[in-house]
Amino acid sequence: AQKITQTQPGMFVQEKEAVTLDCTYDTSDQSYGLFWYKQPSSGEMIFLIYQGSYDEQNATEGRYSLNFQKARKSANLVISASQLGDSAMYFCAMQGNTGKLIFGQGTTLQVKP
Amino acid sequence: DAEITQSPRHKITETGRQVTLACHQTWNHNNMFWYRQDLGHGLRLIHYSYGVQDTNKGEVSDGYSVSRSNTEDLPLTLESAASSQTSVYFCASSESPRQETQYFGPGTRLLVL
Repeated sequence: AQKITQTQPGMFVQEKEAVTLDCTYDTSDQSYGLFWYKQPSSGEMIFLIYQGSYDEQNATEGRYSLNFQKARKSANLVISASQLGDSAMYFCAMQGNTGKLIFGQGTTLQVKP
Repeated sequence: DAEITQSPRHKITETGRQVTLACHQTWNHNNMFWYRQDLGHGLRLIHYSYGVQDTNKGEVSDGYSVSRSNTEDLPLTLESAASSQTSVYFCASSESPRQETQYFGPGTRLLVL
């Protein structure tokens, strides 16, 4: 069975500092994708970054990077230079061979000025 | 611009009533998905479709049905609404079923009294 675990219900970070949000996964699929989504207080789900299981390099999108450690089955999101607008809920998700997205329970990030 | 919309955005209904939530996308994506989001559970897959006339059950499909008569729309029907179906419902679409980013609609908040 596929499973995503986010162990940090809530995180605080000082503005302009970097923060790492943890995500571990479990799957028996050889090929899979890992995603991070942001959900601000307004409620919409915003796609941030994607990492394929066969990608050799960690994915980056602007201030977002995904620290992919395949052997450890972890896919942590790193946000550099945090901004107040980064305060939101963050979800890690995995997509295997069936195409279905499995989500973690989310981490609430609060950026302090 | 292509987009994915949901209607209504907010709905209050009574136990036992039939409710239909609409989802419409203009990306011409073959794949569409319905999720519900509840506190402590993240997002869970209700139903999904890989194309016209194709529908599949997800993780929490009991009490819900979908039909896909065209590419653009995947309405979600609650046959007989129950208080346990009070939730936020998200529709999503993607171009291909596997390891492809899913883009989400704005969500529908449903309250069943």
